[in-house]
Amino acid sequence: GDSVTQMEGPVTLSEEAFLTINCTYTATGYPSLFWYVQYPGEGLQLLLKATKADDKGSNKGFEATYRKETTSFHLEKGSVQVSDSAVYFCALSLKTSYDKVIFGPGTSLSVIP
Amino acid sequence: DTGVSQDPRHKITKRGQNVTFRCDPISEHNRLYWYRQTLGQGPEFLTYFQNEAQLEKSRLLSDRFSAERPKGSFSTLEIQRTEQGDSAMYLCASSPQGPGEAFFGQGTRLTVV
Repeated sequence: GDSVTQMEGPVTLSEEAFLTINCTYTATGYPSLFWYVQYPGEGLQLLLKATKADDKGSNKGFEATYRKETTSFHLEKGSVQVSDSAVYFCALSLKTSYDKVIFGPGTSLSVIP
Repeated sequence: DTGVSQDPRHKITKRGQNVTFRCDPISEHNRLYWYRQTLGQGPEFLTYFQNEAQLEKSRLLSDRFSAERPKGSFSTLEIQRTEQGDSAMYLCASSPQGPGEAFFGQGTRLTVV
């Protein structure tokens, strides 16, 4: 079935370090891909998205590129801040499945000063 | 509109009791989804409504679970004869027709004691 795999956490980084969170997917069609973020005590928020191959989604300094050949959508940020501490979820949706979002297990990120 | 609203935010119930949660989606969104999230996991899809029609239900949704969306507006999720394994965060999301961002509510945290 359709699924998302992402690197296990928790990930702990120092402020201004480079961040990569790996994400790969399995899908029977051509999914849209997302990164959602959940800050402590808050609801899920869309961080960025890409709807077709080679698209790059970006927001708040985060980027991810839809790589169809490797079925990947890795999240990157050049310089993390303490305020980036959160749980990050890679996800996909398919038109053939009513665009319901299928989530990965999440990666917890802690950024220390 | 302030986004997707869920009520209550927290619910503690005794095993065997029935509980009902409410979700008010963003007003112009005709798609509504329910998810369940347990600690350390990504949200898992439960059910999907397009307007008032329930078009998909996950196998996770046992016979004790029922959801409605009368008149295609707010939705309710009822769990009958709650079990300890039902303890989780129940999330509601809404989106407009077509592929795009799903907006999530803050969730209802259920604890069954």
